Amino acid sequence: KAGVTQTPRYLIKTRGQQVTLSCSPISGHRSVSWYQQTPGQGLQFLFEYFSETQRNKGNFPGRFSGRQFSNSRSEMNVSTLELGDSALYLCASHFTGVGGEQYFGPGTRLTVT
Amino acid sequence: GESVGLHLPTLSVQEGDNSIINCAYSNSASDYFIWYKQESGKGPQFIIDIRSNMDKRQGQRVTVLLNKTVKHLSLQIAATQPGDSAVYFCAENMLGGNGGSQGNLIFGKGTKLSVKP
Repeated sequence: KAGVTQTPRYLIKTRGQQVTLSCSPISGHRSVSWYQQTPGQGLQFLFEYFSETQRNKGNFPGRFSGRQFSNSRSEMNVSTLELGDSALYLCASHFTGVGGEQYFGPGTRLTVT
Repeated sequence: GESVGLHLPTLSVQEGDNSIINCAYSNSASDYFIWYKQESGKGPQFIIDIRSNMDKRQGQRVTVLLNKTVKHLSLQIAATQPGDSAVYFCAENMLGGNGGSQGNLIFGKGTKLSVKP
């Protein structure tokens, strides 16, 4: 089975711009979660999508948004980028039944200058 | 690697020794706990999980202990190898109505394990 894939792997943007990151989950997984990882704050939950609906949301400003498509692929968007948004953005997919651990992709490294 | 924090606690062990990595979790309502390993340039990789109705679970060379009274988790790695060098995270979660995990993991800060050959 192919793993979770994320594109692009690296991205450099300027303050004020917006960015869209993409995640393709493992085949058959309908839940996709997004996390932000920084040296200062560690791994923080952004949001989870299940069957095209946002099921859980972390404590991030409204500039961070996401969506999920009918094929379970997900995108997250960050608008009006700030320097503090520089981070590794990780996507995880999982089967929502018993025993469904989360599988992470390699992440997208976003640098905001 | 981009996954490593600047101020992570570090555990340094000799190859072949046992390692114990500790974690305090925050939510007394959490009933599902997971350990992840993150190597440089990669996303976190699942190691082992445990539900709150257990206090110990063993895998291959790894054991997780759960103490709900003091909200403490530990990961024991037997016969630590150089390939075990990585950052280790504990994560907590609350199981959904169907008994499955939900997607909103709460992660600990991580511990960097360094194995000396």
